[in-house]
Amino acid sequence: DARVTQTPRHKVTEMGQEVTMRCQPILGHNTVFWYRQTMMQGLELLAYFRNRAPLDDSGMPKDRFSAEMPDATLATLKIQPSEPRDSAVYFCASGLLTETSGANVLTFGAGSRLTVL
Amino acid sequence: AQKVTQAQTEISVVEKEDVTLDCVYETRDTTYYLFWYKQPPSGELVFLIRRNSFDEQNEISGRYSWNFQKSTSSFNFTITASQVVDSAVYFCALSERVWFSGGYNKLIFGAGTRLAVHP
Repeated sequence: DARVTQTPRHKVTEMGQEVTMRCQPILGHNTVFWYRQTMMQGLELLAYFRNRAPLDDSGMPKDRFSAEMPDATLATLKIQPSEPRDSAVYFCASGLLTETSGANVLTFGAGSRLTVL
Repeated sequence: AQKVTQAQTEISVVEKEDVTLDCVYETRDTTYYLFWYKQPPSGELVFLIRRNSFDEQNEISGRYSWNFQKSTSSFNFTITASQVVDSAVYFCALSERVWFSGGYNKLIFGAGTRLAVHP
């Protein structure tokens, strides 16, 4: 089965440090989403890409978060500087959107668990 | 605003019992999609089903079945003869149509229901 690969799986860092999370979407998928999961807020959308273009990052704290897709095989989510409240599991998901697919089915990665001390 | 409510935070059953997970949604869209995802202890979210708003037929897949009722805005999920491997957090999600940026469907997730199946 094709998989979305995320690295690192776990990251512990100190407040103020830069954190970069990486995602390899499924080959051929043209949409990529970044979600964050916390106990308090549940699953929240941070960013959305279609054909590598960032189309919606309204869910992301702009001052410290950035998301990019340097190529079709790599999506990155960067936090600089990190804060304890950023501690969460960050999921990347990819899907194939076509003219007739409607809301496409997303395949999620295993997540990156971030702890900021 | 779009909203998904999963009122059951945790459910505990004994193996072989049937269990129903409730999902109620709110939307002003006339066309929308509903989903169920499973999150096992390993952490990844696994797709179970997608249903579009025009298709109210119930669906059965093995021990899983889904009951979509537009009149009550519900999309409930039943596991028949539950097994320990069904233990997971189950999320119901609703697609929200975002009209800017070329338009896309954004998933709004419920808070999830944690199901524990005991031997």
